[in-house]
Amino acid sequence: GESVGLHLPTLSVQEGDNSIINCAYSNSASDYFIWYKQESGKGPQFIIDIRSNMDKRQGQRVTVLLNKTVKHLSLQIAATQPGDSAVYFCAEAGGGYSTLTFGKGTMLLVSP
Amino acid sequence: IAGITQAPTSQILAAGRRMTLRCTQDMRHNAMYWYRQDLGLGLRLIHYSNTAGTTGKGEVPDGYSVSRANTDDFPLTLASAVPSQTSVYFCASKPGANDTQYFGPGTRLTVL
Repeated sequence: GESVGLHLPTLSVQEGDNSIINCAYSNSASDYFIWYKQESGKGPQFIIDIRSNMDKRQGQRVTVLLNKTVKHLSLQIAATQPGDSAVYFCAEAGGGYSTLTFGKGTMLLVSP
Repeated sequence: IAGITQAPTSQILAAGRRMTLRCTQDMRHNAMYWYRQDLGLGLRLIHYSNTAGTTGKGEVPDGYSVSRANTDDFPLTLASAVPSQTSVYFCASKPGANDTQYFGPGTRLTVL
């Protein structure tokens, strides 16, 4: 079946650097995309979302970019901090009450 | 506001035993979900409910059942636990169609 996947399983950065986590999706019918952050021993935490009628959306220190042409989603974290260390999941869904499909996750390690 | 609560936090269970994982949300969200999370496999949907009184099967429903008698509660039952059901279980909810899902803290279940 169609799925969402991630290019990099682990990303190591230095504190203060900008981080970019990538995600490829294959379902062209998806119109809603979400990034979640999961710290060890906790549930996934919503970071930011974007709908298919947008290319870019910004939050506090985070930006999500959507390229529908190549079915690619990315999460940019500015001035990465040690507290950003976690596993990041992208997820995609169709409209309405359609269910989410999650990628496998990327671990972000931030060194002080 | 507590958000989503799950109980128990963790449980060790003998194979063949019946177990119910509890999930309660106080946000009056219409839709609720159960996922399991296994290393290397990400989050997989077990069952969902778009509104009280209705339920649906997700990607991995076998061996699990759910009920949605009211808006707030969405229990997940393992009728006869097997070791392959050892996992971390997350409950999630969302207000309505086209909304973001929010996750509970999880239940770690070990079946011996």
